Amino acid sequence: DAGVIQSPRHEVTEMGQEVTLRCKPISGHDYLFWYRQTMMRGLELLIYFNNNVPIDDSGMPEDRFSAKMPNASFSTLKIQPSEPRDSAVYFCASSPRGVGYQPQHFGDGTRLSIL
Amino acid sequence: GEDVEQSLFLSVREGDSSVINCTYTDSSSTYLYWYKQEPGAGLQLLTYIFSNMDMKQDQRLTVLLNKKDKHLSLRIADTQTGDSAIYFCAENGAGANNLFFGTGTRLTVIP
Repeated sequence: DAGVIQSPRHEVTEMGQEVTLRCKPISGHDYLFWYRQTMMRGLELLIYFNNNVPIDDSGMPEDRFSAKMPNASFSTLKIQPSEPRDSAVYFCASSPRGVGYQPQHFGDGTRLSIL
Repeated sequence: GEDVEQSLFLSVREGDSSVINCTYTDSSSTYLYWYKQEPGAGLQLLTYIFSNMDMKQDQRLTVLLNKKDKHLSLRIADTQTGDSAIYFCAENGAGANNLFFGTGTRLTVIP
């Protein structure tokens, strides 16, 4: 089975540009999560969806960040305009359910560098 | 909210046992997990334990859970250089649809 697929794997762009990160969850998984990982702050949950509906976006740092899930097999995380402090590794994860045994399966991440 | 804590670093010699510790605050957690992150990769589920268990063994991995003290540990027997990675513990609080992750422990195995 294919795992969680993220694209691009690496992104380098200049400050002020729009950045779009993409994620394809595992088929049949109802939950999708976006995380950010930095040396300073560790792994942070940004937002998660259940059945394509955003449930908790309290981790989204500011209005420059937005996330969508137009269908069960695709989600995007957008940063506009981007800033150097947004440089991090962004992970997408999915899980089959939200209660009980709910292991999350992670993609390999997008390493984002904002110059 | 839930608080999950781990020590940041651990170094062991190849062949020795490694013990990675984790404490959490939510006594209603039902499942607790250990994830491994290798350089340049995402988090990979290693093992898990249900909260009504005290111990779970899976080949070289032993998970111990002290629910009274809210303490979780991961023991890796005969640690190999390939075990060098960051290890995260995670738990799901009752009623929560997401997992709460610790800060991660960077394990370095010295040849």
